[in-house]
Amino acid sequence: DSGVTQTPKHLITATGQRVTLRCSPRSGDLSVYWYQQSLDQGLQFLIQYYNGEERAKGNILERFSAQQFPDLHSELNLSSLELGDSALYFCASSVSLVSSYEQYFGPGTRLTVT
Amino acid sequence: AQTVTQSQPEMSVQEAETVTLSCTYDTSESDYYLFWYKQPPSRQMILVIRQEAYKQQNATENRFSVNFQKAAKSFSLKISDSQLGDAAMYFCAYRSEEVYTGANSKLTFGKGITLSVRP
Repeated sequence: DSGVTQTPKHLITATGQRVTLRCSPRSGDLSVYWYQQSLDQGLQFLIQYYNGEERAKGNILERFSAQQFPDLHSELNLSSLELGDSALYFCASSVSLVSSYEQYFGPGTRLTVT
Repeated sequence: AQTVTQSQPEMSVQEAETVTLSCTYDTSESDYYLFWYKQPPSRQMILVIRQEAYKQQNATENRFSVNFQKAAKSFSLKISDSQLGDAAMYFCAYRSEEVYTGANSKLTFGKGITLSVRP
């Protein structure tokens, strides 16, 4: 158990809908990363937050957005869902921005868009 | 931009034998970190081993060791005395060293390799 929690574990929804994925980082971790794992794209970085502020963006679609709240949990919002958005979404947390600190991964949320 | 390449999609090893998983990467940076992650059927991402680029000594964690060749940009994982529980997908990953800014502290992953262990 990494100490990072993600809810829900599974999500099935229809095209065009909007969903919210939630991540609670390890106690004391200020940095949160979101990654998407799909068959087509593999594992890719979406976005990073540090202490409530967006710090880095990767291959995140405009239909997707995220935020980190004062209690440091983070939410990834996916809207106007398409079949291709079906993937495993991971959240990872780290104590700091500094690269020498480990990123600890949550168990992931499996999103299925039908 | 950095890229990570794992050219072997699948490998198989006999239980108790040794197997080496290959990874190459491309970067213009001199300081960085390299990782191997294991993803079993549960889909949890588990850190296996990490290597700091500034360290000449290859990292070792119990049955897992790496062969880090900085000039060749090669980072292979050796699993000794393979066990059935080692069966999983293995990802090689790269992370820049960006002290304090953290702007590039994301992980860049290879496509992964599926390792099966034969009893």
